[in-house]
Amino acid sequence: QSVLTQPPSVSGAPGQTVIISCSGSSSNIGAGFHVHWYRQLPGTTPKLLVYGDKSRPSGVPDRFSASKSGTSASLAITGLQTEDEADYYCQSFDSSLSGVVFGGGTRLTVL
Amino acid sequence: EVQLVESGGGLVQPGKSLRLSCSASGFTFQNYAIHWVRQPPGKGLEWVAGISWNATHSAHADSVRGRFIISRDNTKNTLYLQMNGLTPEDTALYYCAKDVSPSSYYFDYWGQGALVTVSS
Repeated sequence: QSVLTQPPSVSGAPGQTVIISCSGSSSNIGAGFHVHWYRQLPGTTPKLLVYGDKSRPSGVPDRFSASKSGTSASLAITGLQTEDEADYYCQSFDSSLSGVVFGGGTRLTVL
Repeated sequence: EVQLVESGGGLVQPGKSLRLSCSASGFTFQNYAIHWVRQPPGKGLEWVAGISWNATHSAHADSVRGRFIISRDNTKNTLYLQMNGLTPEDTALYYCAKDVSPSSYYFDYWGQGALVTVSS
């Protein structure tokens, strides 16, 4: 059971928008710790997609946007493309556990 | 170019020990915290342990605390994970992941991983 809760799967048609949620608690997201998002394409290593709640590393298109409110965060992907099919993970820090925590991951399927 | 290369994985019997290494290049190793993150086959990511830039502070996940020890040698640009008392639940691909700073607790570069299989 992951400390951060994500839906196991989401799907959308090409061109559509999907939102992936990440629910935490008062000891991680709610405590003000930043949320970061990673994308893991099939058979590859995770790649940083969003850091510091809403910032994108250079090279990540603005189709990817993220936000945080209270004890939750979300990642929005607009203009879905087939190459967006991947697993997406949220990540933060937990003060009770004194360590990094991940969400369970969300598999995005582009129909 | 930042490179992280894990080694030391393999098949090991339950209860035995194994030491993973992660050789780093392409950046000033001693300036950054480094972490181990694992991924069981077909499952999600789990943070295992992290160590500060100067090795004065380390932290381990509850699931491995008391069995695994993270360490680093800045003179060799190498990160280690000593794994003792291995169980089948420790079977996973173990990634070495570079922190974005001395202690930001998120990761901008990952290695390709070392597969550890615990089975009799």
